[in-house]
Amino acid sequence: DAGVIQSPRHEVTEMGQEVTLRCKPISGHNSLFWYRQTMMRGLELLIYFNNNVPIDDSGMPEDRFSAKMPNASFSTLKIQPSEPRDSAVYFCASSFRQGGYNEQFFGPGTRLTVL
Amino acid sequence: KQEVTQIPAALSVPEGENLVLNCSFTDSAIYNLQWFRQDPGKGLTSLLLIQSSQREQTSGRLNASLDKSSGRSTLYIAASQPGDSATYLCAAPYSGGGADGLTFGKGTHLIIQP
Repeated sequence: DAGVIQSPRHEVTEMGQEVTLRCKPISGHNSLFWYRQTMMRGLELLIYFNNNVPIDDSGMPEDRFSAKMPNASFSTLKIQPSEPRDSAVYFCASSFRQGGYNEQFFGPGTRLTVL
Repeated sequence: KQEVTQIPAALSVPEGENLVLNCSFTDSAIYNLQWFRQDPGKGLTSLLLIQSSQREQTSGRLNASLDKSSGRSTLYIAASQPGDSATYLCAAPYSGGGADGLTFGKGTHLIIQP
């Protein structure tokens, strides 16, 4: 299996621009997670989906952030408009949740820089 | 709300030593706990997942234990090697029963000196 795939790997944009991050989870997994990592705050959960349905978006910082999962093999995280404080590494993770078993596997991340 | 703390924040030892990394969590109503490794500029690699019904999980030179009653987990690394140098992260599910998102500790930055 190719693992979790994220694109782009690096994104540099100017303040006010729209940014779209993409994720392809591991085939067969039924849960997908978006996390953000910064030096100050560490790793934080933004939102997660079970069977393509958003379950908990309480970690999404503002209305500028939105996430979709139109099917089991694709998800997007959009920031519009972007701000310099959104600069971080954004990780997508997926898992096959069955009962109490929920091992999460992470993608390589997208490093976002907002100038 | 779950809070995860890792001690020590950093550790530098000569190769060959056996190491213990510590993790504590505030909400013991978890059904599993996961340990990850992160190399600089890279993503997270899952090392071990311990389910609440287990007390230990082993993979090669790594052994992780879980004590829900005390809110603690430890990661034991045997016969450390320079290739083990990385940041080790402990993660527990959010509280609230059934919540699947992970709360991460700040990590232990490990350096193994050749």
